[in-house]
Amino acid sequence: DAGVIQSPRHEVTEMGQEVTLRCKPISGHNSLFWYRQTMMRGLELLIYFNNNVPIDDSGMPEDRFSAKMPNASFSTLKIQPSEPRDSAVYFCASSWDRTYEQYFGPGTRLTVT
Amino acid sequence: GIQVEQSPPDLILQEGANSTLRCNFSDSVNNLQWFHQNPWGQLINLFYIPSGTKQNGRLSATTVATERYSLLYISSSQTTDSGVYFCAVGGTSYGKLTFGQGTILTVHP
Repeated sequence: DAGVIQSPRHEVTEMGQEVTLRCKPISGHNSLFWYRQTMMRGLELLIYFNNNVPIDDSGMPEDRFSAKMPNASFSTLKIQPSEPRDSAVYFCASSWDRTYEQYFGPGTRLTVT
Repeated sequence: GIQVEQSPPDLILQEGANSTLRCNFSDSVNNLQWFHQNPWGQLINLFYIPSGTKQNGRLSATTVATERYSLLYISSSQTTDSGVYFCAVGGTSYGKLTFGQGTILTVHP
């Protein structure tokens, strides 16, 4: 079975541009999580969904960040406009309600210049 | 929210040595996972262990939920064990995990 799929794997963009990160959870999983990892702040949970509904977005740093999950097999994290301090690795993870065991995607390394 | 504390923060070993990593947490949990982040940045599931003991090859883990700690044992360490080991715990909120700061393990040949 395929694991969590994220795209792109690397993204380099200029300050002010819109960035969209994509995630496909493991088939059958009904919870999806977006994390950000930096050296300074470690792994931070940004937002998570259950059955496609956003449950907690308190980790989203500011209004420039938004996330959607239009169906059970796809989610996006959008940053508009991007800033250099948004440079980080963004991970998507999924789990299902039977065990809550989370599985992580390979991450998207975002660099904003 | 739940607090998660890992120790030691850094660990340097010679190949073949054994080690124990510890994870303390501040509240009762329904989920506890150990992850290994390899030098390429991948987060790899090691154990899902909210309680009890599990073994997988040279690695084993024990969680004593009533005393709010978990231990990860690495035996006969290899250079490929290098990386960061994270403990993450969750309560009842849809599987939300809180991560510790990690233990950075370096294994020298």
